Amino acid sequence: DFQMTQSPATLSASVGDTVTITCRTSQSIRNWLAWYQQKPGKAPQLLIYDASSLQSGVPSRFTGSGSGTEFTLTISSLQPDDFTTYYCQSYNTSPTYTFGQGTKLEIK
Amino acid sequence: QVQLVESGGGVVQPGRSLRLSCAASGFTFSSYAMHWVRQAPGKGLEWVASMSYEGSDNDHAASVKGRFTISRDNSKNTLFLQLNSLGPEDTAVYFCAKGTTRFGNFAEDCFDSWGQGALVTVSS
Repeated sequence: DFQMTQSPATLSASVGDTVTITCRTSQSIRNWLAWYQQKPGKAPQLLIYDASSLQSGVPSRFTGSGSGTEFTLTISSLQPDDFTTYYCQSYNTSPTYTFGQGTKLEIK
Repeated sequence: QVQLVESGGGVVQPGRSLRLSCAASGFTFSSYAMHWVRQAPGKGLEWVASMSYEGSDNDHAASVKGRFTISRDNSKNTLFLQLNSLGPEDTAVYFCAKGTTRFGNFAEDCFDSWGQGALVTVSS
C-alpha cells in the first residue's frame, strides 16, 4: 500500500528563520507532489505543485524540491503570517490522492 | 474570480443520507476536474472523491467507496456529493475544490481553489 509520511508534526521557529518540512513516500511518485498551507478555520491554499513549481501569487520565500520518494518545503525569512499548518499531497498515485499528516509551524 | 460555495451540510443520524452541493462561478466549470476533500474536527485533510471535467470518469477514496457518490451538472455549474449510510467517522467539514489544469486528467491534478466548507455532523 502507498504510504506518505510528513515530518515533523510540529515545528517551532522564530520570525526570520528558515525551516524545512519533509514528505517521504513509500514508492516513487516522480514529481507528483503539491504543498498546501491551511490557516485555522479556513480552506487550504495551494503553494507548490509538481514538487517545485510556485503557484501564482505565492511569495518566493516558499520553495519546493525533491523527486521520487523524498520532497521538501522550505520557507525562508519566516513572516508572522506563515505560522500555521502545512500539508503535502501526492497525485496520480494509488489511491489517487493522499495528503500528509500535516505540520504545525509554531512561533518559538 | 473563482468562487465555490458548498451547501447541504447539517446534523444527520447514523445510517441516514445527505447530499452536498457546490455552486461554482468565475470560471468555465465544464473545463475543470472537481474534487471533494474532508477534514474531521482537529484532524488532517482526507481526499474523498474526484470527477473529470466532462463527468464521464470519477474515483472515490476506499473509506467512502460504495457509500458516497460524486456527480456534476455542467449545465448548472454545480458539483454534488451524495453521502449514504453515514457513520460517526464521516463527521467532518467537506470542501469542494477546483482542479488546476484546464481539460486535465482528474487524477493528475492539484487543487487551486477551495470552497469555505460544509460541516456534516453524524450523531444520534
